[in-house]
Amino acid sequence: DTGVSQDPRHKITKRGQNVTFRCDPISEHNRLYWYRQTLGQGPEFLTYFQNEAQLEKSRLLSDRFSAERPKGSFSTLEIQRTEQGDSAMYLCASSSTPWTGLSSPLHFGNGTRLTVT
Amino acid sequence: AQTVTQSQPEMSVQEAETVTLSCTYDTSENNYYLFWYKQPPSRQMILVIRQEAYKQQNATENRFSVNFQKAAKSFSLKISDSQLGDTAMYFCAFMKHGGGNEKLTFGTGTRLTIIP
Repeated sequence: DTGVSQDPRHKITKRGQNVTFRCDPISEHNRLYWYRQTLGQGPEFLTYFQNEAQLEKSRLLSDRFSAERPKGSFSTLEIQRTEQGDSAMYLCASSSTPWTGLSSPLHFGNGTRLTVT
Repeated sequence: AQTVTQSQPEMSVQEAETVTLSCTYDTSENNYYLFWYKQPPSRQMILVIRQEAYKQQNATENRFSVNFQKAAKSFSLKISDSQLGDTAMYFCAFMKHGGGNEKLTFGTGTRLTIIP
């Protein structure tokens, strides 16, 4: 069990460019979540998948954002036409169902820090 | 919708002292879970302690304990005998019971610094 892995750790891009982040969840986990964390704020929910199905999207997920989990394993989060306001830490987390209540309901990765210049 | 409020953006305390972090929340749910997470500079979010709303007894985990006041919708974290490794961001989080997923709602966090 290597934990939740996110790539890249850091991404610097110019305004208007597209970026894509990858998340590899814990292998037996069937749910995968994306959160955004801006400076001075707690993580905010963006979207989550159960297997390959995207079951919920936050209003924060504008039409420039798209997330996929094509085979129910890894997930990608793409931001098109990046804006300076997109600068944030993007966190991925995974969970197995049902949650046993014995540990954290979500297991987090180290995040991808995006800076838009 | 649920909201979680942490009114202390930053706190600092001398090593070995006790510190209490505050958290209040708002919900119309009766069954839910509350959590405290720690986010060290390495950034990975780590669970510190959890509380089931239906349990009146306050949760404890070694040096960490909570004061859960359901009627007041208050959930504070007490760290006893603080250590340098406790330096981190601390987030209070809410999860609805039986919501069909593990979606967490977080507060804005408290940056805790332990002074040697």
